[in-house]
Amino acid sequence: QLQLQESGPGLVKPSETLSLTCTVSGGSISSSSYYWGWIRQPPGKGLEWIGSIYYSGSTFYNPSLKSRVTISVDTSKSQFSLKVSSVTAADTAVYYCARHDSSVWTFDYWGQGTLVTVSS
Amino acid sequence: DIQMTQSPSSVSASVGDRVTITCRASQGISSWLAWYQQKSGKAPKRLIYAASSLQSGVPARFSGSGSGTDFTLTISSLQPEDFATYYCQQANSFPFTFGPGTKVDIK
Repeated sequence: QLQLQESGPGLVKPSETLSLTCTVSGGSISSSSYYWGWIRQPPGKGLEWIGSIYYSGSTFYNPSLKSRVTISVDTSKSQFSLKVSSVTAADTAVYYCARHDSSVWTFDYWGQGTLVTVSS
Repeated sequence: DIQMTQSPSSVSASVGDRVTITCRASQGISSWLAWYQQKSGKAPKRLIYAASSLQSGVPARFSGSGSGTDFTLTISSLQPEDFATYYCQQANSFPFTFGPGTKVDIK
């Protein structure tokens, strides 16, 4: 059974960089059929797609965040990562990593999510 | 960006009721749509993909229909475990966008 697990600091100071890692187990991150994505959800609000990456390193970003976001992949560790720079309180959210396939482009496996709070 | 809207924003229903949730896209997305269920404090769970295909393991009381701009999620007989928030997501083009959610709670 595929599992995804987010890890990283739960508290980040304003203007600093938020960094999270998603570890994939029970399946191959290098499968040609899937992309790996990040989605976030501010407390009490809806879902926002941040971006996705293919095992080769090809990326797609949400234009609303593109200038501040970097997603990378390390296939040797079965991990992919998210960095969001210059964070503000508006970046406070539960961050999810998830898998989506390259045929129907929707998210079939999700991590449990991790709350990141931006505060001094 | 493609904007997704959902109606109603919330619905109160009883066990056994038929519940219908509507999702509308700001432009045509063919059948590139998924529905997710999210329970409090949990990650979303995909119920339907490609507008009408049932995710493996999801009860058959869930069904999806529609194409183009208008889509529907139907729960044929609401069960206690179905009380949750439901989101649609378009997968027609980047950036992927989600609807604002429909909360189904107990009447």
